[in-house]
Amino acid sequence: QVQLQESGPGLVKPSQTLSLTCTVSGGSFSSGGYYWSWIRQHPGKGLEWIGYIHYSGSTYYNPSLKGRVTISLDTSKNQFTLKLSSVTAADTAVYYCAREDGYNYWKYWGQGTLVTVSS
Amino acid sequence: EIVLTQSPATLSLSPGEGATLSCRASQSITSYLGWYQQKPGQAPRLLIYDASNRATGIPARFSGSGSGTDFTLSISSLEPEDFAVYYCQQRSNWPHTFGQGTKLEIK
Repeated sequence: QVQLQESGPGLVKPSQTLSLTCTVSGGSFSSGGYYWSWIRQHPGKGLEWIGYIHYSGSTYYNPSLKGRVTISLDTSKNQFTLKLSSVTAADTAVYYCAREDGYNYWKYWGQGTLVTVSS
Repeated sequence: EIVLTQSPATLSLSPGEGATLSCRASQSITSYLGWYQQKPGQAPRLLIYDASNRATGIPARFSGSGSGTDFTLSISSLEPEDFAVYYCQQRSNWPHTFGQGTKLEIK
């Protein structure tokens, strides 16, 4: 069974870069050819898809985040990482990492981590 | 980007009743729509994929229908654990988008 776990700072200062890591167990990036994503949820609000990285290393980011996003893969550690630059209070959210089910639906999720942007 | 609009925003029902939740897309997404359930403090759980297919382990009381721009999630007889927020999500185009959610609450 695939399990995902987010880790990273819970507090980031405005204008800095938010950095989160998702550690995957029960499966590796090199098997199955899946997409791995970051999705966030503002407090009390709905879900916003941030971007994906494919096991091949290809990426696609939500244009709404205006080039501030980078997602990278470390297959040796079974991890993928989110970097979101120039953060503001509007980036305060619970951040989830997720893996799709082969049909581009997000079946496996981490438990989520709250990141607050504040000085 | 494709906008998904869910209705109603809140649905108040009693256990044992049936529920019907709607999701409308701003353009045709054929059948590329999924439904998720989210409980407080938990990650979303995939219920339905490609409009009408139940994900592994999802009870038969959950069913999905629709195509094109109009979709429905039905819950045949509500159990206490079904009261939660439900989101639809399209996979027709990147970026994937979600609806704003329907809160199913106990009446």
